[in-house]
Amino acid sequence: QVQLQESGPGLVKPSQTLSLTCTVSGGSISSNDHYWSWIRQIPGKGLEWIAYIYYSGTTYYNPSLKSRLAISVDTSKNQFSLNLNSVTAADTAVYYCARYIGGSREFDYWGQGTLVTVSS
Amino acid sequence: QTVVTQEPSLTVSPGGTVTLTCASTTGAVTGGSFPHWFQQTPGQPPRPLIYSTSNKYSWTPARFSGSLLGGKAALTLSGVQPEDEADYYCLLYYGGWVFGGGTKLTVL
Repeated sequence: QVQLQESGPGLVKPSQTLSLTCTVSGGSISSNDHYWSWIRQIPGKGLEWIAYIYYSGTTYYNPSLKSRLAISVDTSKNQFSLNLNSVTAADTAVYYCARYIGGSREFDYWGQGTLVTVSS
Repeated sequence: QTVVTQEPSLTVSPGGTVTLTCASTTGAVTGGSFPHWFQQTPGQPPRPLIYSTSNKYSWTPARFSGSLLGGKAALTLSGVQPEDEADYYCLLYYGGWVFGGGTKLTVL
């Protein structure tokens, strides 16, 4: 069964770049029709879809975050990554990675999430 | 920008039936928005329950069902169990994915 695990710094200073990596195990990140997603949840609040990426490098971004976002994929390591620049306290959230299957339009497997706090 | 709305909170008795709904500011929710439903308990990631309106996962209990109802996406729980107390989120597609604000379901 596919498992996803987020990793990265738990504390980022304002105006700096938030960088996270998701490691996929139990399946190949290069599988056909599988897209690799980032979703976040502000503590005590709702969820927000950030972006997803195909193994070829094709990306799909949330328009509200697009200007600060970059996601990438490393097929040799079965990992994909998120970079969000110019962060503020409003970017403090639990960040989840998840698998999206394009044909059936489903987000089926999720990581446990990692809390990133933006603070000086 | 599309806003997706859900009931902030609902209460149901054990063994009862409850329907949670998911509406869009752009108009009626259709199958073309591929409605999803997730369950989340404290400290856990969202757990997928339903995708593309009514499709279940292998782990989705039979008492959960998804549908379209009166221009909204709907999640119905029949024979509610105490362990169903959780936050429930819907997700819709409008060129990008938009989550609803969530419904806190209390089983009392």
